[in-house]
Amino acid sequence: GESVGLHLPTLSVQEGDNSIINCAYSNSASDYFIWYKQESGKGPQFIIDIRSNMDKRQGQRVTVLLNKTVKHLSLQIAATQPGDSAVYFCAENGGSNYKLTFGKGTLLTVNP
Amino acid sequence: GAVVSQHPSWVICKSGTSVKIECRSLDFQATTMFWYRQFPKQSLMLMATSNEGSKATYEQGVEKDKFLINHASLTLSTLTVTSAHPEDSSFYICSADTTGTRGSYEQYFGPGTRLTVT
Repeated sequence: GESVGLHLPTLSVQEGDNSIINCAYSNSASDYFIWYKQESGKGPQFIIDIRSNMDKRQGQRVTVLLNKTVKHLSLQIAATQPGDSAVYFCAENGGSNYKLTFGKGTLLTVNP
Repeated sequence: GAVVSQHPSWVICKSGTSVKIECRSLDFQATTMFWYRQFPKQSLMLMATSNEGSKATYEQGVEKDKFLINHASLTLSTLTVTSAHPEDSSFYICSADTTGTRGSYEQYFGPGTRLTVT
C-alpha cells in the first residue's frame, strides 16, 4: 500500500463551527465510500456512506459529498462539538464486494 | 447490535514469542472477518480476509506463515503473530461482515489490540 508519513493532516476548528474534511481517492472502479471516525486507542466507527450513483448524502449533523469527476470525497460536520475530535478516515471499496481501502486520515481537533 | 470484541485489548510480549489475538462477533454471525494493522499516526492497512472454514486470503507483502489466521466458527477469528519482533509492534484491528454474503459493505470494527514486542 501507499506509504503514509508520520504526520496526519490536521484540522483545527472552534466549537460550533462547521468542519469540512477532504479525501482524494484513486481507484476509479470504486463505487462505494464510507467515512469512519477513530478515537485514540479505539477501532473505527462508521459515520456515513455513499454510493457512486449519488453525489450527496446527509445524516445527523454530517453530510458526505462525492465528486467522481475529480475523485474527491468530503465530510461536512455541522456545529462541531468537542466530542467530534478524532481522526477521520475515508474508505473506498475499489469495486470489490467486500474489501475496503482506507485513506490517510485527518486529525480533527475541536477547541472549546 | 453488530458488536465486535477483541481480546486482549493490549499485550506485551518478548521478542521471539507468539501472541494470539481473538476477534469475536457478539450478536451476529460473521462469515467474513478482516484483520488490519495500524502503525502510529497512519492509516489502517488490510492484512488478510478470513472466511469461516477456509484458508485466509493475505494481502500482498503480508507473511502468511508469520501471521496465522484461523476462522473456526461464525463468531470467532484468531490472529497469531508468530516469533514476534519489535517491528511487529502495532495496533491490530479486526472487522466483521454482518450479512455473511459477498456484496455486504457493513463492516463493523473491533476496538483493536495494542501489541508491544520488547
